[in-house]
Formats: sequence, C-alpha cells, structure tokens
Amino acid sequence: QSALTQPASVSGSPGQSITIPCTGTSSDVGGYNYVSWYQQYPGKAPKLLIYEVSHRPSGVSNRFSGSKSGNTAYLTISGLQAEDEADYFCNSHASSDTLVVFGGGTTLTVL
Amino acid sequence: QVQLQQSGPGQVKPSQTLSLTCAISGDSVSSNSAAWNWMRQSPSRGLEWLGRTYYRSKWYSDYAVSVKTRITINPDTSKNQFSLQLNSVTPEDTAVYYCASWRVQSEAFDIWGQGTMVTVSS
Repeated sequence: QSALTQPASVSGSPGQSITIPCTGTSSDVGGYNYVSWYQQYPGKAPKLLIYEVSHRPSGVSNRFSGSKSGNTAYLTISGLQAEDEADYFCNSHASSDTLVVFGGGTTLTVL
Repeated sequence: QVQLQQSGPGQVKPSQTLSLTCAISGDSVSSNSAAWNWMRQSPSRGLEWLGRTYYRSKWYSDYAVSVKTRITINPDTSKNQFSLQLNSVTPEDTAVYYCASWRVQSEAFDIWGQGTMVTVSS
C-alpha cells in the first residue's frame, strides 16, 4: 500500500480539464513544499512534470499545473489531449525514516 | 544533457544478490547538487524508493526502511556511475528497477534511467 493516496483512475474528454488529488499527511505532503508529479507511459520511465508543488521544468506544457492545500496536492491538466493518456504519480519528501514517498498512481483515460 | 544508462541481469535466483549499475553522462556522481537514487515498480507495490547516495564533502547513503538490511548503493567515481546491490532476494523483489537523479534545485527526480525488468525465479 502506497504512502500517498491517489484515485486509481480518472477520465475526461478532449479539451476538458481534470484534477488528480494526492493525499498524504502532515509528515509528508502537508509538512513540505516538496511535492512533485510524474507522467509515465506504458513500458517507459516516469517523466518529471511538476516540482516543488507548482513549478514546471523547462519543456513541460503549461497545460499541466500543480497546487496544494493542507495534506493534499493536486495535478490539473487543462485542454485534455489524447497524448495525455498515461499514468500519473505524485511524490513527496517525508520526515523521519521514510524520506521519500510516492502515490499509487492514477491512470488517465481521454475519452 | 544528463542521461542515465542502466545495465545488469534481468533474472536472479532466490536468495542470491541483485546487482545493477547506472552510468551517468552529462553530470558527475560527485556533484554537490545531486543525489543518485534507485527505485522499483511492481503491480503489487507500486513505485517504491529504495535508496540514494550523494556527495556533500563526503559520501552519504540513505535507504528505505523496507530494504535497509539488504541494500547497498555505492558510487564509482572512476567510472562515473553508481550501483545497487540487493541481497537475499525473493520473488517479491521482482520488479522494474529504475535509477534516477535528484536535484537540490528542484527537490525532484529529474532524470530517470530506462528501467530494467528483474525477475526473481529459480
């Protein structure tokens, strides 16, 4: 069982917006602004989409945005495109012995 | 541009040692602003961080509690790479293993290796 909770799946139609929540605790998501999000296609390595809650690396589309409220972080994808169909994982720094935690992943289906 | 290239066997027998290597190009394993990590991913366990090594005037290593008694991650400065050794493997260690770099500037895993499917089976 993953330390951070994500819905197993979400879906949306092209052009719509979707939001994926990532829920943790005050010892990880709520305690640090070090939440990152990754996109993964089947058989491929994850790719960094968002770091430090809301920052995009160079080259990542501005259709991807991140935010946080309390112990929950959010990834929003606007203007859904077929190419956005993938798995999405959240990650957070964590305190004490844990150090690094991931969410269980969310499969996005573009209808 | 930083790239990570993984190498190592795809099958290991139960009770033996899993060994993988991650070669770094475009950066240095001795960088003061990076840490070098191993993760694994399986349907049953999801994406799991295993540990890291990094240099801050001296070498450090941190490991996940779940594998702490069985794991070693070592840097190799002569070859600019780092390695994973996981001892006493069982079928539960079957997974895709990834190496990844973590940056101080972003506090995130910015570059990933291509992944290695490792099956623990006799």
